Amino acid sequence: QQQVKQSPQSLIVQKGGISIINCAYENTAFDYFPWYQQFPGKGPALLIAIRPDVSEKKEGRFTISFNKSAKQFSLHIMDSQPGDSATYFCAAVGRLYNQGGKLIFGQGTELSVKP
Amino acid sequence: DTEVTQTPKHLVMGMTNKKSLKCEQHMGHRAMYWYKQKAKKPPELMFVYSYEKLSINESVPSRFSPECPNSSLLNLHLHALQPEDSALYLCASSQVTGALRGTEAFFGQGTRLTVV
Repeated sequence: QQQVKQSPQSLIVQKGGISIINCAYENTAFDYFPWYQQFPGKGPALLIAIRPDVSEKKEGRFTISFNKSAKQFSLHIMDSQPGDSATYFCAAVGRLYNQGGKLIFGQGTELSVKP
Repeated sequence: DTEVTQTPKHLVMGMTNKKSLKCEQHMGHRAMYWYKQKAKKPPELMFVYSYEKLSINESVPSRFSPECPNSSLLNLHLHALQPEDSALYLCASSQVTGALRGTEAFFGQGTRLTVV
């Protein structure tokens, strides 16, 4: 119930294309769903996040779509660029009352954008 | 400023050494975390501190000893590590919410630890 399943494991997209990464969760107690971008040798950087009372959130070329009834959410990267090549992790936050949040990560997607 | 600073960036230590990893944030966050990340894997939670008190220990071996001396600093003391402990160690911080709502965590750049 604490798992977040992410797919695909790896993704190759041509420059200018759309990259789509999908995640699914079981625990309905999760209430915050961030996406992190990680370059080799660096820490994960928060990219965009959504709460389940919103079905879509867009920030620049990045969009999260959220389907609460299906317990699924996805990241769309429009006009993908070689600089977007990185590992992307979806996550769900397990609430710890008065303690912050415990991140449950998906397994990660290695994105490669070809010029 | 959403910066979490970790030092050192790289560390090589022998199995009998004692070393410490340091983490600092000035965002006023009162929750701080240590994560361990192996190559091509997601980060794994090790410890959570809230209001400078240890609130979660994810069954981490005692050779890892966390410390939170104040609201801005988090340390991880290392002693008698094994080669399989080699990994990227990440510090993160977030707000503490009284309401039952999750909140974003900000990560540092990590310390690349190699145990020889």
